[in-house]
Amino acid sequence: AQSVSQHNHHVILSEAASLELGCNYSYGGTVNLFWYVQYPGQHLQLLLKYFSGDPLVKGIKGFEAEFIKSKFSFNLRKPSVQWSDTAEYFCAPHPPGGSQGNLIFGKGTKLSVKP
Amino acid sequence: SAVISQKPSRDICQRGTSLTIQCQVDSQVTMMFWYRQQPGQSLTLIATANQGSEATYESGFVIDKFPISRPNLTFSTLTVSNMSPEDSSIYLCSVVHNEQFFGPGTRLTVL
Repeated sequence: AQSVSQHNHHVILSEAASLELGCNYSYGGTVNLFWYVQYPGQHLQLLLKYFSGDPLVKGIKGFEAEFIKSKFSFNLRKPSVQWSDTAEYFCAPHPPGGSQGNLIFGKGTKLSVKP
Repeated sequence: SAVISQKPSRDICQRGTSLTIQCQVDSQVTMMFWYRQQPGQSLTLIATANQGSEATYESGFVIDKFPISRPNLTFSTLTVSNMSPEDSSIYLCSVVHNEQFFGPGTRLTVL
């Protein structure tokens, strides 16, 4: 079965620390990859996406993610987190052949940044 | 972009009753999606609702339990029927409009 694994349930960091959130998916073929973020009390919103081309993609607010096809991974990174990055982060690959909108979401990683 | 609103934002319901959740989008979209996020779980797609046709349900979800209406290109409803405590979840409406957008969700608690 197609699945997504986010390695960390809850990450606690101090401001200026570096962040890396892991995401692995279980299926091969061409996939589109997304990271979504949900700030406290707000909607889910797109952080960044990968469709093709350069496997290192830049998103909003200084986030980036690297697609490593051989490892079925799409890890999210940020060199220096801020208190305002406190949120829940969801990895969501779009499986090959799936209908548009049929994202498979990971369980999410809650990030808490201490000021 | 697309701005999505949902009503109600939250509700507490009794077992055996039904609740209809409304989703309104500020632009016309072909496909609308309904997701569920159970406590501690990831988002799971319930169904895809296209205007003018019956909704397509994912494995594990059936029309009798989650009937969906899609009367026009900016509106959809999801009904959670004959509710039980296991239906306690956040229900989210979503659309694809160049990228995928999500509504604020409806937090449902079933007693």
